Amino acid sequence: QVQLVQSGAEVKKPGASVKVSCKASGYTFTTYYMHWVRQAPGQGLEWMGIINPSGGSATYAQNFQGRVTMTRDTSTSTVYMELSSLRSEDTAVYYCARNSGIYGYRNGDVFDIWGQGTMVTVSS
Amino acid sequence: DIQMTQSPSPLSASVGDRVTITCRASQSISSYLNWYQQKPGKAPKLLIIDAYNLQSGVPSRFSGSGSGTDFTLTISSLQPEDFATYYCQQSYSTPRTFGQGTKVEIK
Repeated sequence: QVQLVQSGAEVKKPGASVKVSCKASGYTFTTYYMHWVRQAPGQGLEWMGIINPSGGSATYAQNFQGRVTMTRDTSTSTVYMELSSLRSEDTAVYYCARNSGIYGYRNGDVFDIWGQGTMVTVSS
Repeated sequence: DIQMTQSPSPLSASVGDRVTITCRASQSISSYLNWYQQKPGKAPKLLIIDAYNLQSGVPSRFSGSGSGTDFTLTISSLQPEDFATYYCQQSYSTPRTFGQGTKVEIK
């Protein structure tokens, strides 16, 4: 079945970087864009950006510009989200979520499949 | 960026109640409004697409309506498994944005 499996929890010190992985299975990896969404403890959902697994291009939310990098490895059907210069406010669960539209990213597309989430804790 | 505002928050209700959650966009988003359900410790689950289309497998007690800037999610008869947090999300423009969430609690 279609699923996204993310890497395990991370604990990082302020100023460090974290790289979270999301391995896709059950569908053709390069045909669906992938989003990253995060959720701070007790808070709502925040969109971070989207990557095209085929070409590798990414679009990032303004709040994360300069600190986030999304990449992919087509040989393992895995997307990665790296966040640098971590601060305590980055403590959150990070989700990958598949974009529902095939071969593109358009108005009306939804987050149809989600990973299980990866807890990232930033603490000195 | 388009701001999404939900009300009420939280919402206290009993099993069997009819429940309505409202979502308002800061500008018109046509019908590009989706609803997700999230239970504690779990990823969000897609419920409704484009304001009123039920995702496959979602019970028919869930329904959505609205267009432009004002939308509603209705649960016709609240079941024990429906106690959760509900988020609206616009797919009209980038960045994608969510409402702050409405937690449906047991009264």
